[in-house]
Amino acid sequence: DAGITQSPRHKVTETGTPVTLRCHQTENHRYMYWYRQDPGHGLRLIHYSYGVKDTDKGEVSDGYSVSRSKTEDFLLTLESATSSQTSVYFCAISPKGNYGYTFGSGTRLTVV
Amino acid sequence: KQEVTQIPAALSVPEGENLVLNCSFTDSAIYNLQWFRQDPGKGLTSLLLIQSSQREQTSGRLNASLDKSSGRSTLYIAASQPGDSATYLCAVLKMNRDDKIIFGKGTRLHILP
Repeated sequence: DAGITQSPRHKVTETGTPVTLRCHQTENHRYMYWYRQDPGHGLRLIHYSYGVKDTDKGEVSDGYSVSRSKTEDFLLTLESATSSQTSVYFCAISPKGNYGYTFGSGTRLTVV
Repeated sequence: KQEVTQIPAALSVPEGENLVLNCSFTDSAIYNLQWFRQDPGKGLTSLLLIQSSQREQTSGRLNASLDKSSGRSTLYIAASQPGDSATYLCAVLKMNRDDKIIFGKGTRLHILP
């Protein structure tokens, strides 16, 4: 997707290890979001950011932390990965938070 | 609490037909409404964004309408093609920038060749 990239695209990791996913944008949007998507649950918000070093929790934040030291980068860290965190993770950006969202292509994470 | 509902959950139609996907929301105090498309194993692609002051938006064969007073939006797809097969999600945004986007669960569309 133009202007927003996620890395890695796929990752397999072992239970108990820390994992960091990266979202990078070139749109200079203020708002950035991390979602997870699971069958039967739809998209669920993990954390979001409304500016550099300004972050807040979403509805499923336990076991996750985020950091945003630059406008363009928003990192999601699984502090100690568990099998329940196997999911597809999407990053999204928005210029104003209430205007419109652009999503990245996703990271498929498998915790074994 | 805002709830967004999309009915039907799944729909199969023959190629070439015109079709309408429905989205309803419980709180009419929305700022924008956005329609997305998601292909299997892929991310969400924004199709149309309707601002609260607008009643419809068009892009190619797609037309989305918004009726805030009745809490409804429709996505009209003209002359459907097999490539239109995907899940379509609608989402609403409120005026407050810290109020998060609320998604419906989507309509899974299958266009039969």
